[in-house]
Formats: sequence, C-alpha cells, structure tokens
Amino acid sequence: KNQVEQSPQSLIILEGKNCTLQCNYTVSPFSNLRWYKQDTGRGPVSLTIMTFSENTKSNGRYTATLDADTKQSSLHITASQLSDSASYICVVSAPYSGGGADGLTFGKGTHLIIQP
Amino acid sequence: NAGVTQTPKFQVLKTGQSMTLQCAQDMNHNSMYWYRQDPGMGLRLIYYSASEGTTDKGEVPNGYNVSRLNKREFSLRLESAAPSQTSVYFCASRYLMDNEQFFGPGTRLTVL
Repeated sequence: KNQVEQSPQSLIILEGKNCTLQCNYTVSPFSNLRWYKQDTGRGPVSLTIMTFSENTKSNGRYTATLDADTKQSSLHITASQLSDSASYICVVSAPYSGGGADGLTFGKGTHLIIQP
Repeated sequence: NAGVTQTPKFQVLKTGQSMTLQCAQDMNHNSMYWYRQDPGMGLRLIYYSASEGTTDKGEVPNGYNVSRLNKREFSLRLESAAPSQTSVYFCASRYLMDNEQFFGPGTRLTVL
C-alpha cells in the first residue's frame, strides 16, 4: 500500500531559527512530490514540486530536497518568520489514476509554530 | 479569476438533516476532488472526478454522494448527516495528472 510518512508531527521553533521537515514515502512507481503549505483556516497552497531527476530546489527561504533512491524528501526553512507558522503537507504522485486516489498519496502534515 | 470557490463557509446541522456543499472552479481544470480534514488525520479523499461525467470513490466515501454538474462544478451531498461527519471539507481541482492541485477555502461543518 502506498504511504507517505511525515515527521515530526509538530514542531515549535523561535523566530529566526532554521528547521527541517521530513517526508518518507513508499509510493511506486513515482511521478513527483509536492510540498504544500496550509495556513490556519485556509486551503493548502503548493510550495514546490520535485521530480525524479531533481535533488534540490529552492523557493525563497524554502529549500526542498529529494533522494529518489531512499524515497525521502525534506523541506528546509531558513531564517524562519512568524508567517511560516502553518501545516506543511507532503503529497506524492504516481503516474496512474487507479487505487481510488487519482494517483495521489497525502502525508498527514507537520504542524510548525514559530514563536517570537 | 476566482480560482476554487466553496459555499457555504460555515454550516451547523442537526443529526439526520441533509445538505449539499457546492464547489466551482474557473480555471478550466479537468479533475475535481472533495476532501475532509480532521485533527491528526490529515486530508482524506472522499470522492473525485477525473473528468466531466465521471466520479470515483476515495478513501472515505460512506455517507456522501457527489455530482459533477459540468466541467466547472462539483457538489458533495450529505443525505443524512451524522456527528462523525463534523469536519472541514475542502474542494480541489487540477488540470491534468502531475499538475498542482488548487484548493478552495474550505467549509466548516458541525453536526449536532
């Protein structure tokens, strides 16, 4: 069964500090992996997409990595800001639509709190 | 370009009542989805529609029905609401497989 595991479940850090969120998956075959940010009370918004051939991709203070061999991804946040407080969801896509999920497997998310 | 819109934003129902959650997108997307989100459970797929005229069950379809009214609109119906259906419901859409999903703002439903 395809699974996506995220760790930690929740994390509290001080403003200005760095942090790294983890995503491990068993989805196979693999098409891509997306990180979404979900602010409280709102729908998720895509931060970045990682494909099989990409190891690292940056979006401002966010840097995602992918190791397709070990089926692991990380999201590193540099110099955290209060606005980074949110849930971060890892979603892995398979190149097929079967299995009752249209090819998408969601992690449960990491809840990040930035304290002043 | 409004993206994905959902109505209503909030709703309180009594056990046994019925209601329909509405979702519309103006991005000409082919696929549309309904998810529920509960604390500690993440987003769970209820139903999806890969294209106009088709619908498929997701992980938690029991107690729900859907209608893909046209390419823009995808509604979720609760025929006889139960307290276990208290949740936040999100609609999403995407153009093709491998594309980004766009989510609506959510509907917060409480069943008493």
